[in-house]
Amino acid sequence: QKEVEQDPGPLSVPEGAIVSLNCTYSNSAFQYFMWYRQYSRKGPELLMYTYSSGNKEDGRFTAQVDKSSKYISLFIRDSQPSDSATYLCAASGGSYIPTFGRGTSLIVHP
Amino acid sequence: DAGITQSPRYKITETGRQVTLMCHQTWSHSYMFWYRQDLGHGLRLIYYSAAADITDKGEVPDGYVVSRSKTENFPLTLESATRSQTSVYFCASSETGGLVGYTFGSGTRLTVV
Repeated sequence: QKEVEQDPGPLSVPEGAIVSLNCTYSNSAFQYFMWYRQYSRKGPELLMYTYSSGNKEDGRFTAQVDKSSKYISLFIRDSQPSDSATYLCAASGGSYIPTFGRGTSLIVHP
Repeated sequence: DAGITQSPRYKITETGRQVTLMCHQTWSHSYMFWYRQDLGHGLRLIYYSAAADITDKGEVPDGYVVSRSKTENFPLTLESATRSQTSVYFCASSETGGLVGYTFGSGTRLTVV
């Protein structure tokens, strides 16, 4: 079992929907949590990172960490077709090398 | 141009050949990383480096060699390519070691025939 688990999807939503992407993790030492977006045939791009528990907002994106349940979420408000991509969560702590989830494919259709 | 660049973008090679993938970053980041990305496995760390002349194995190092004589360059060599090494390879760099994220290159799509 991987230390960071993520449903591969695909998750298909209509334009304008609120999207919820989720990961679970098993290592209690994780303190830093990241979300990457990866478009087809491109490298992953860092969207946001958070430290410990709580929320962090950046425009239409909100990252949420619940350390008590070892749950990481990314919410996308007013989703757009341009948000269609694979979203990878990652976590690190103890070692500086992050552990990545396998990614969730998101499709936002017009 | 500032950033992290990988070359070549696409490569086809034959089984048994040696091939080198290049990675160059312009920020003078201390940390550099090589990952491979395969369907069903996600990103897997091959090798990483915390500074020039310091390298360490990741999760899947067998069949690969790295060097880092200069801070800005981190080439990855497949000593004798095998079909199982067909993959997309990503280089990444970070000043903080990855705690708050990496910057990835655009990738090299390698096919071993």
